[in-house]
Amino acid sequence: TQLLEQSPQFLSIQEGENLTVYCNSSSVFSSLQWYRQEPGEGPVLLVTVVTGGEVKKLKRLTFQFGDARKDSSLHITAAQPGDTGLYLCAGRRYLDDMRFGAGTRLTVKP
Amino acid sequence: GAVVSQHPSWVICKSGTSVKIECRSLDFQATTMFWYRQFPKQSLMLMATSNEGSKATYEQGVEKDKFLINHASLTLSTLTVTSAHPEDSSFYICSARLTGQETQYFGPGTRLLVL
Repeated sequence: TQLLEQSPQFLSIQEGENLTVYCNSSSVFSSLQWYRQEPGEGPVLLVTVVTGGEVKKLKRLTFQFGDARKDSSLHITAAQPGDTGLYLCAGRRYLDDMRFGAGTRLTVKP
Repeated sequence: GAVVSQHPSWVICKSGTSVKIECRSLDFQATTMFWYRQFPKQSLMLMATSNEGSKATYEQGVEKDKFLINHASLTLSTLTVTSAHPEDSSFYICSARLTGQETQYFGPGTRLLVL
């Protein structure tokens, strides 16, 4: 059983559409990170959230950390083909190591 | 800032040989480094946590005698895959965490192919 459940696992949309990726757990996290990974490369950090209810924006990407710090979401507005990739959420519990969700593979078609 | 490098980026070796992978934090000191393994179309699985100057902590199911980890300095950790077998073929990724911070930064990965 994964500590972090990501959904959906796969997502294929047209350019210009909006989408939301969810990352859920029954555990409380001291922090949660979102990464984007291209094939054959290491994950690249998008954002770190540490406060319950926190919302961070990165251009067309909006990240939210749940009030109870057990879940998070990533919303992309007006998706572009360049957004295609594997999106990973990763959570760190207190005094513990970071664990990854299974990932959401996003394909944005032109 | 917060750049992590890995060397080599890819390696092909014969079954039974050993392979060493280096992970370096280029512009910061990392008391803790992590080693992950990623199989095709899957997420990252934590193999072990490496603390500078002490023994690594391995995840359940990861053989410590097969995957030797050395974290000799605050900027370098190495993973040695001993007596490699084809099933060890995978994408190995390291990460480093800034001391006192939550965020981990990842290296570009090393693709290992064991023939």
